Amino acid sequence: DVKVTQSSRYLVKRTGEKVFLECVQDMDHENMFWYRQDPGLGLRLIYFSYDVKMKEKGDIPEGYSVSREKKERFSLILESASTNQTSMYLCASSLSQGVREKLFFGSGTQLSVL
Amino acid sequence: SQELEQSPQSLIVQEGKNLTINCTSSKTLYGLYWYKQKYGEGLIFLMMLQKGGEEKSHEKITAKLDEKKQQSSLHITASQPSHAGIYLCGADNTGGFKTIFGAGTRLFVKA
Repeated sequence: DVKVTQSSRYLVKRTGEKVFLECVQDMDHENMFWYRQDPGLGLRLIYFSYDVKMKEKGDIPEGYSVSREKKERFSLILESASTNQTSMYLCASSLSQGVREKLFFGSGTQLSVL
Repeated sequence: SQELEQSPQSLIVQEGKNLTINCTSSKTLYGLYWYKQKYGEGLIFLMMLQKGGEEKSHEKITAKLDEKKQQSSLHITASQPSHAGIYLCGADNTGGFKTIFGAGTRLFVKA
């Protein structure tokens, strides 16, 4: 089975801190995604990547950046955390681009910004 | 842009009862996914539907996509406490590359 691992289940940070959320997948998937999940809003796509060093903005990229230096690792960066970035962050991966593929999700990181 | 609306937002059912969750799209669906999420965890893939009129089943869960490909339903027969969680529908955008999601339906099953 594909495993998508997120580095932290719970994280508490202070306003203005730089925050790194790490995600690693072990099945050589080409595509990786970062979503945030908020009550009543469902999952919203922040950024995605379809190849190493490639990234595309999703629906809500403001205040975030990403890095994909290796195929298996996709990092989400909050340059200066703010309280409105308190959320559940979910990383996902899928096999290849151009075809309809299901997503494999990590367990999520619940981030609280105080 | 495409939007997915799920109903109901939450549902409380007695164990053993049947239930249905609906997902309606503002545009034609080219790939419709159902996922389940246990509270505080990641999503697990249940089923994918692509063709109008398609129906798939897994154990006691059945998902259907209507002929017009704008609405899907998820039906659970004889619900159990293990069915509790959040059910989300997802759809590919027209390019087939990004998946958008509905807000989810929270299901509670009373033993």
